Amino acid sequence: QLQLQESGPGLVKPSETLSLTCTVSGGSVTSSSHFWGWIRQPPGKGLEWIGSIYYSGNTYYNPSLESRVVISVDTSKNQFSLRLSSVTAADTAVYYCARHGNIVVVPGAKGFDSWGQGTLVTVSS
Amino acid sequence: DIQMTQSPSTLSASVGDRVTITCRASQSISSWLAWYQQKPGKAPKLLIYKASDLESGVPSRFSGFWSGTEFTLAINSLQPDDFATYYCQQYNNYPWTFGQGTKVEIK
Repeated sequence: QLQLQESGPGLVKPSETLSLTCTVSGGSVTSSSHFWGWIRQPPGKGLEWIGSIYYSGNTYYNPSLESRVVISVDTSKNQFSLRLSSVTAADTAVYYCARHGNIVVVPGAKGFDSWGQGTLVTVSS
Repeated sequence: DIQMTQSPSTLSASVGDRVTITCRASQSISSWLAWYQQKPGKAPKLLIYKASDLESGVPSRFSGFWSGTEFTLAINSLQPDDFATYYCQQYNNYPWTFGQGTKVEIK
């Protein structure tokens, strides 16, 4: 059974860089049928897609965050990571990693079908 | 960006009711739409993908249908476990976008 687990600091200072890693077990980040993505949810608010990565290294970012975001994949560790620079209090949120179907390769591709439990990151001095 | 306008934002219903939630896309997304259920403190759970396909393990009282750019999630015979917040998400175009959410409350 596929499992995803986020890890990283729960507190980041303003202007610094938020770094999170998602470890995948029970599946492989080299799957050609899937993307691996990050989604966040500020306290009491809705969901925002941050970006996704394909095993080839191709990345897709939300334009609203693109200038500050880098998503990378480490196939040897079966992990993918998020870096968000120059954070402010507005970046305080629960950050989720998740797997998403590839509509180009899979005719019946699903949305985000497997999620990590989420990790709260607070931006505060 | 494709805007997903979800309504209503809150819905009060009783156990046994049939409820519907609607998402309207600002442009064509074909059928690349997913519905999720989220409970407090938990990650969202995929219910429906490709507008009308039921995710494995999801009760058959959940269904999805669409016409053009209007998508609907229906829950037949609402159960106590169904009181939660529901989100739609389009995955036809980047950036992938979510609706604002619908909270289903107990009447």
